[in-house]
Amino acid sequence: DAMVIQNPRYQVTQFGKPVTLSCSQTLNHNVMYWYQQKSSQAPKLLFHYYDKDFNNEADTPDNFQSRRPNTSFCFLDIRSPGLGDAAMYLCATSRVGYEQYFGPGTRLTVT
Amino acid sequence: AQSVTQPDIHITVSEGASLELRCNYSYGATPYLFWYVQSPGQGLQLLLKYFSGDTLVQGIKGFEAEFKRSQSSFNLRKPSVHWSDAAEYFCAVGAGTASKLTFGTGTRLQVTL
Repeated sequence: DAMVIQNPRYQVTQFGKPVTLSCSQTLNHNVMYWYQQKSSQAPKLLFHYYDKDFNNEADTPDNFQSRRPNTSFCFLDIRSPGLGDAAMYLCATSRVGYEQYFGPGTRLTVT
Repeated sequence: AQSVTQPDIHITVSEGASLELRCNYSYGATPYLFWYVQSPGQGLQLLLKYFSGDTLVQGIKGFEAEFKRSQSSFNLRKPSVHWSDAAEYFCAVGAGTASKLTFGTGTRLQVTL
């Protein structure tokens, strides 16, 4: 089945230690998104790629970076995680103008 | 800018009872509207969507939603709830295209047996 895959499902990192989260898709969608979701809150869009064009949300901290080396893969890099960055990180994909499909998420814990 | 309001934070219904989850949106043009469901520790699953056309849309798992422009609403309904429907439900609006979504704060559904 076509899908959005996120690895790892659970990630524990230390305060200030860089961490990378991975997302891949078999849907061949040209748009990929990263969301941050804190407990009992709605998902918050961090940035998205339209093909290779990167679109950052105005309030996304500089600590968050992203890479999209090809259509299938997208990475979220957190350069110096703080305790406030502990959250669920959701990847989603879509064709332009169509609905988004979400992966299962990566739960990030910062110790 | 668009916004979404889900006035009910938490709803409890008995299994077999009907369900209606409320969603109100604010957007200047014709919106793209969605309902997603999220089980604990999981990603979001698309239940249904409205882009244009028939204002009553059918989704998966027996859910439906009705777009009412005059009320700026897109309420989610199910005639008979199952215990497995217990989850968090998010309404979302897409601006211009579906590409950037604004989510409501969610409604947590609890189902009693």
